Amino acid sequence: EVQLVESGGGLVQPGGSLRLSCAASGFTFRNYAMSWVRQAPGKGLEWVSGISGSGGSTYYADSVKGRFTISRDNSKNTLYLQMNSLRAEDTAVYHCAKVPFLEWLSWFDTWGQGTLVTVSS
Amino acid sequence: DIQMTQSPSSLSASVGDRVTITCRASQGISNYLAWYQQKPGKVPKLLIYAASALQSGVPSRFSGSGSGTDFTLTISSLQPEDVATYYCQKYNSAPGFGPGTKVNIK
Repeated sequence: EVQLVESGGGLVQPGGSLRLSCAASGFTFRNYAMSWVRQAPGKGLEWVSGISGSGGSTYYADSVKGRFTISRDNSKNTLYLQMNSLRAEDTAVYHCAKVPFLEWLSWFDTWGQGTLVTVSS
Repeated sequence: DIQMTQSPSSLSASVGDRVTITCRASQGISNYLAWYQQKPGKVPKLLIYAASALQSGVPSRFSGSGSGTDFTLTISSLQPEDVATYYCQKYNSAPGFGPGTKVNIK
């Protein structure tokens, strides 16, 4: 069974940093691109960042470009999102999502439960 | 940037009704469109990809159509378990989601 389990969320002050992790199991992790998608409380879905299966290509939404960094460790079957210079508007549940292909541009066939990031003083 | 819109923003229908949700892209996206269902408190679930391909395990009462700028998700016979918010997503370029359509039972 494909499973994605996020961790690392929490309360952080504006301007602070946080690193999210997503542990993957049930599939050959390195063969699939991955993305992070967030959902602010009571709001819709917003794509944040994507990464190819090899990790060699990364992509970001304009709203997080220059502040967030996506990466992956295929030896550990783990996806990461390093979030710096956090703002109140980054408050959301962050989901990792699996892409059904090696390259990133696609739909998302499996979603993790998400981890809540709250940016507040 | 290509913007995605959905209509209506919410609807109420009776069990057994045919329900249609529309998604519109501000520019043509060919058939690079997916649909998701998100039940309250749950994670989004893929229903349709490539505008009309049904994801494995999804009931056949769900169907998708369209190409270019205009797309529809149809539930042929609404069931109580279909109460959810439905999102469209483009993927011809950077992924983008529509604002969602909330479906309730009348």
